[in-house]
Amino acid sequence: DGGITQSPKYLFRKEGQNVTLSCEQNLNHDAMYWYRQDPGQGLRLIYYSQIVNDFQKGDIAEGYSVSREKKESFPLTVTSAQKNPTAFYLCASSIDPRLVSSYNEQFFGPGTRLTVL
Amino acid sequence: GQQVMQIPQYQHVQEGEDFTTYCNSSTTLSNIQWYKQRPGGHPVFLIQLVKSGEVKKQKRLTFQFGEAKKNSSLHITATQTTDVGTYFCAGITTSGTYKYIFGTGTRLKVLA
Repeated sequence: DGGITQSPKYLFRKEGQNVTLSCEQNLNHDAMYWYRQDPGQGLRLIYYSQIVNDFQKGDIAEGYSVSREKKESFPLTVTSAQKNPTAFYLCASSIDPRLVSSYNEQFFGPGTRLTVL
Repeated sequence: GQQVMQIPQYQHVQEGEDFTTYCNSSTTLSNIQWYKQRPGGHPVFLIQLVKSGEVKKQKRLTFQFGEAKKNSSLHITATQTTDVGTYFCAGITTSGTYKYIFGTGTRLKVLA
């Protein structure tokens, strides 16, 4: 099956610990994204990557870090510097969004619910 | 910064009633997409609109993109309980970074 996977589904961490969320896609998409969603809220962009070995900060990048060493993988690290890390984290991928004439829909993974105790 | 607002934030309707959500951007968009997120789930793509004034239909759903490419709407005719969820619009900027800006979402509840 083609798709995008995130693991784990639920994650609990103690305050002050770094934690890395996994995101893998086998859709051969160039672009990948990380969003944060708080209860009853919309999606806020943390980081995005349009090509391997390159990524850009989104609107709320402080306290987060990413890497894009492989096309299929875009892991997100929530560092201890993130003041309020408890949230639902969604990873997504798409074809190059600069191709406006194409269907560049985002495919979302199932998400990871992170709770920091 | 660039913002995409949606109204209303919440909507409760009786099954069979119509529903509309509106999306407004502070700047011109290259295109606009609509997503649906069921409670506890992840967003799922519904449709993309590219052209100024474009209208598309999917069964009971009608999507419009404004002439100025700064606003959009989603209209559902005769809602069903399966329509429950949060509807998001997402615009792609033309500022060179081509990142998605998601709207604030409209949460729809349908009462049987």
